[in-house]
Amino acid sequence: QSALTQSPSASGSPGQSVTISCTGTSSDVGAFNYVSWYQQYPGKVPKLITYDVYKRPSGVPDRFSGSKSGNTAYLTVSGLQAEDEADYYCISFAGSHYIFGTGTKVTVL
Amino acid sequence: DVQLVESGGGLVQPGGSLRLSCVGSGFTFSDFWMSWVRQAPGKGLEWVAEIERDGSERKYVDSLRGRFTISRDNAKNSVYLQMNSLRAEDTAIYYCARFGLPFTLDMWGQGTMVTVS
Repeated sequence: QSALTQSPSASGSPGQSVTISCTGTSSDVGAFNYVSWYQQYPGKVPKLITYDVYKRPSGVPDRFSGSKSGNTAYLTVSGLQAEDEADYYCISFAGSHYIFGTGTKVTVL
Repeated sequence: DVQLVESGGGLVQPGGSLRLSCVGSGFTFSDFWMSWVRQAPGKGLEWVAEIERDGSERKYVDSLRGRFTISRDNAKNSVYLQMNSLRAEDTAIYYCARFGLPFTLDMWGQGTMVTVS
């Protein structure tokens, strides 16, 4: 049950797009369309950004979009804004348990 | 308001035990699977356990199975995490979370800090 692999950091200027990857295996990300992404500010509670790979909860801007290809899921943040600077975590269902990603710190330059 | 409120964290010596509680309000607690997630200081999130709506099914991360036990009391709108044989590496914020959507944790509590030292 190793953590899903995310790049430690990503950055972009305001208005640009940034894509974060979340790599698992054929037993988790590749096997199920149950990948969610969470945004977490320092000292705060994680907030659901996308679920079921690409769905967005109400209230989440459509600047956030999720996708998946094979064993890797992606979160794209378009039109970066200063408030998007945060840590982002993916999580995937893996049959009998759930696995989080290692986390990616997004910096808005 | 729909919310989850954890309690029971604190400082405990290695080898000790602690029982965390989480009370849900503003929703029909018994309709939802519940979960515990933890986050060590400065580290990432780790899924710990989940429990079915009536408590009949429980799942754990492999590394904690046998030391941690999840349970619930729907009459009290509560879910619990019994933690035994605690180690320094169990030091973390423990979050209670709800599976408000299938396979998705849609709501989290504020967390309770557990320090093993």
